[in-house]
Amino acid sequence: AQSVAQPEDQVNVAEGNPLTVKCTYSVSGNPYLFWYVQYPNRGLQFLLKYITGDNLVKGSYGFEAEFNKSQTSFHLKKPSALVSDSALYFCVTNDYKLSFGAGTTVTVRA
Amino acid sequence: EPEVTQTPSHQVTQMGQEVILRCVPISNHLYFYWYRQILGQKVEFLVSFYNNEISEKSEIFDDQFSVERPDGSNFTLKIRSTKLEDSAMYFCASSGGGYPAETQYFGPGTRLLVL
Repeated sequence: AQSVAQPEDQVNVAEGNPLTVKCTYSVSGNPYLFWYVQYPNRGLQFLLKYITGDNLVKGSYGFEAEFNKSQTSFHLKKPSALVSDSALYFCVTNDYKLSFGAGTTVTVRA
Repeated sequence: EPEVTQTPSHQVTQMGQEVILRCVPISNHLYFYWYRQILGQKVEFLVSFYNNEISEKSEIFDDQFSVERPDGSNFTLKIRSTKLEDSAMYFCASSGGGYPAETQYFGPGTRLLVL
């Protein structure tokens, strides 16, 4: 079975500081990994995905993620966080159906 | 930018009643999905749908649930006899293809409360 794990329930950073949201995966075969974000009272918005190729994937709103096969990780990063990045972030794997991590709540303080 | 829409945004119903949740997928997408998120729990896959047939369903998707594409634009989820434990946020999603590399795009969700 495919699964992802997000070890941190919450991440708190100051605006302007780097933001990292951690994710590890357990999949058989090629991993198809995604990050989605959920703002309050909004739906799930796609940020970026890793399919194959470059280990560093760039996505929306200045986010990027690094795929690390040896560590089975797919951490989401942003060099300089904004208050507006405060949201719930989901790491997801796709095996013809999406399997979600538990989510990490990011709070960026001004 | 095309987006998935869902109606209603909120629905309150009595236990045992039937509810229909509606979704309008992105117009050129062919694959449709329903997911749900019980408060405080993970987002869970319910069902996938393609070419007017269910492609895959989870163990959650029992005989009380059904899906339908009644016309060229809508995709519905029906719960025949709601239970208290059906209270959740229900998300519809669509994708252009059915492969794992395809991105699924989500609607804003319908929050269902069963009393």
